[in-house]
Amino acid sequence: AQSVTQPDIHITVSEGASLELRCNYSYGATPYLFWYVQSPGQGLQLLLKYFSGDTLVQGIKGFEAEFKRSQSSFNLRKPSVHWSDAAEYFCAVVPMDSSYKLIFGSGTRLLVRP
Amino acid sequence: NAGVTQTPKFRVLKTGQSMTLLCAQDMNHEYMYWYRQDPGMGLRLIHYSVGEGTTAKGEVPDGYNVSRLKKQNFLLGLESAAPSQTSVYFCASSRQAGDTQYFGPGTRLTVL
Repeated sequence: AQSVTQPDIHITVSEGASLELRCNYSYGATPYLFWYVQSPGQGLQLLLKYFSGDTLVQGIKGFEAEFKRSQSSFNLRKPSVHWSDAAEYFCAVVPMDSSYKLIFGSGTRLLVRP
Repeated sequence: NAGVTQTPKFRVLKTGQSMTLLCAQDMNHEYMYWYRQDPGMGLRLIHYSVGEGTTAKGEVPDGYNVSRLKKQNFLLGLESAAPSQTSVYFCASSRQAGDTQYFGPGTRLTVL
């Protein structure tokens, strides 16, 4: 079945440590790929997106993501986490067969230890 | 530029009551969307619109209706609310298909 998978429900890291959030998708053709962040009680904010071209994408707030076609993955990374990064992170895709639909993963909640 | 706004922010309904959620965008976007967010399930598409006067069903349309009479507004209606519709509702808009979607702040709805 076509889906977006975020295998980690919760991740806890110490402030200043590096971070990697995983995202895998199962669609035949490479979809458009997005990462959104949701702070408590807030709407979703776009961190970065991949449509084509360079497979390493830079986003806001020091985040980056790497598209790996062979692994059907689009993992989000940050070299040094700040306490303000505590939030829920959603990977999302727009499949090529229905370009209006944004399909979300179930989210990963990031907790940051002082 | 307010972006995407939603009214109201919170609402409590009794089973069987009706209500309308309003979404407004000032970015002149063609596409608008309604999602619901439930714990552990991410966001799921309820209905969407590809332009003024158009609407279409998403992944979980049952129990909801929508209208897009003006390009900048997208209304979500619940005719007879059920406890299963307790959720946080998000509206979004995009310039065109496949483009970045911009989200409103959400409406928290509780149905008792």
